[in-house]
Amino acid sequence: AQKITQTQPGMFVQEKEAVTLDCTYDTSDPSYGLFWYKQPSSGEMIFLIYQGSYDQQNATEGRYSLNFQKARKSANLVISASQLGDSAMYFCAMREGDTGNQFYFGTGTSLTVIP
Amino acid sequence: DAGITQSPRHKVTETGTPVTLRCHQTENHRYMYWYRQDPGHGLRLIHYSYGVKDTDKGEVSDGYSVSRSKTEDFLLTLESATSSQTSVYFCAIRPDRDSNQPQHFGDGTRLSIL
Repeated sequence: AQKITQTQPGMFVQEKEAVTLDCTYDTSDPSYGLFWYKQPSSGEMIFLIYQGSYDQQNATEGRYSLNFQKARKSANLVISASQLGDSAMYFCAMREGDTGNQFYFGTGTSLTVIP
Repeated sequence: DAGITQSPRHKVTETGTPVTLRCHQTENHRYMYWYRQDPGHGLRLIHYSYGVKDTDKGEVSDGYSVSRSKTEDFLLTLESATSSQTSVYFCAIRPDRDSNQPQHFGDGTRLSIL
């Protein structure tokens, strides 16, 4: 079974609108961490936001927030007030367990912001 | 930006030849990782290291070996390259103090095997 599932290969959003990128995960370990990365067309991987399995509140970082629904095993990324520079691939990833030796990535969602 | 340098950045080689990719970090981080990125697969972990001479396999380790003789360097070797190993390879590092720390990535190496 896939550890991380991103079901939206491509998404479009109008500039200044909000968009939600879906991510579901699969683990039986009570301790895990969830990460979102952005990969622009230039290719580098940029860390955006982190959510720990024991965190009570949803993580936020500027225009990025994480909608964490533990019972549903989902960790959706919400980007508010989209900008043209948000056009990129977005990857959800999971660190399973406390040691942090194994990370699993989803297949990514390509986001295009329309002016 | 995290001090991570991957070399070479681009390489074209022939099937059957050995290839070594280098990841160099200046952050003195304990954990280092090698991933490959392919369309439709996202990033997949090849090998990782949790200290000098301490390495372990990831989910797609067949055909790859690694070595870490110094904290700052993590080498990925393809002993006999095959066309299926054509990919973009990323190195990542992570400090060991807090489990909530993200990985930070190098700029990638584009490897083509003809």
